[in-house]
Amino acid sequence: AQKVTQAQTEISVVEKEDVTLDCVYETRDTTYYLFWYKQPPSGELVFLIRRNSFDEQNEISGRYSWNFQKSTSSFNFTITASQVVDSAVYFCALSDARGSGAGSYQLTFGKGTKLSVIP
Amino acid sequence: DARVTQTPRHKVTEMGQEVTMRCQPILGHNTVFWYRQTMMQGLELLAYFRNRAPLDDSGMPKDRFSAEMPDATLATLKIQPSEPRDSAVYFCASGWLVSTGNTEAFFGQGTRLTVV
Repeated sequence: AQKVTQAQTEISVVEKEDVTLDCVYETRDTTYYLFWYKQPPSGELVFLIRRNSFDEQNEISGRYSWNFQKSTSSFNFTITASQVVDSAVYFCALSDARGSGAGSYQLTFGKGTKLSVIP
Repeated sequence: DARVTQTPRHKVTEMGQEVTMRCQPILGHNTVFWYRQTMMQGLELLAYFRNRAPLDDSGMPKDRFSAEMPDATLATLKIQPSEPRDSAVYFCASGWLVSTGNTEAFFGQGTRLTVV
């Protein structure tokens, strides 16, 4: 069974601070995919990043960066110089890559971390 | 700008009534997911389709929920009869799955259902 744990339920930071959102996952698959989604107050789920299990290179996109460490089964997300517009709930998700059978490729989500950026 | 479209955005209904939620996936995507989001359970997969065929609906209460894809441009999720515990936000997502793995799933804006 797959499981995603986001231990931080809520985080508050002051604008311009850096913040890291933790994500720990469990899976028996050797090939899998990890995702981060953002859910702003308006409610939609916005895709941020997809990473496959063979690619452990860290990724940076503007103020966002992701640290994937297979050894600790973690896929953490850092926002540098946070802004008020970053306030949202952030979800980490895991998907298998079996490609067949019931449940294949479905996303298993963590419970989310609510980030509040205070001006 | 391709996006997943869900209707209605909001629905308030009385217990016992039938509710139908609709989703138009992104053109060309071959996989459609239905998720439910509640405060207690978070995001749960209800059902998913690939190439319009249902692959997994184990997350749905079978006695009252049904999901279909009458054609490639429409997915529906129906609840009959609805109950207060069905109150949640229902998300539809679509994606393109290939032999080498899946792409990201793009989510619609959700249908906020309230059953009173």
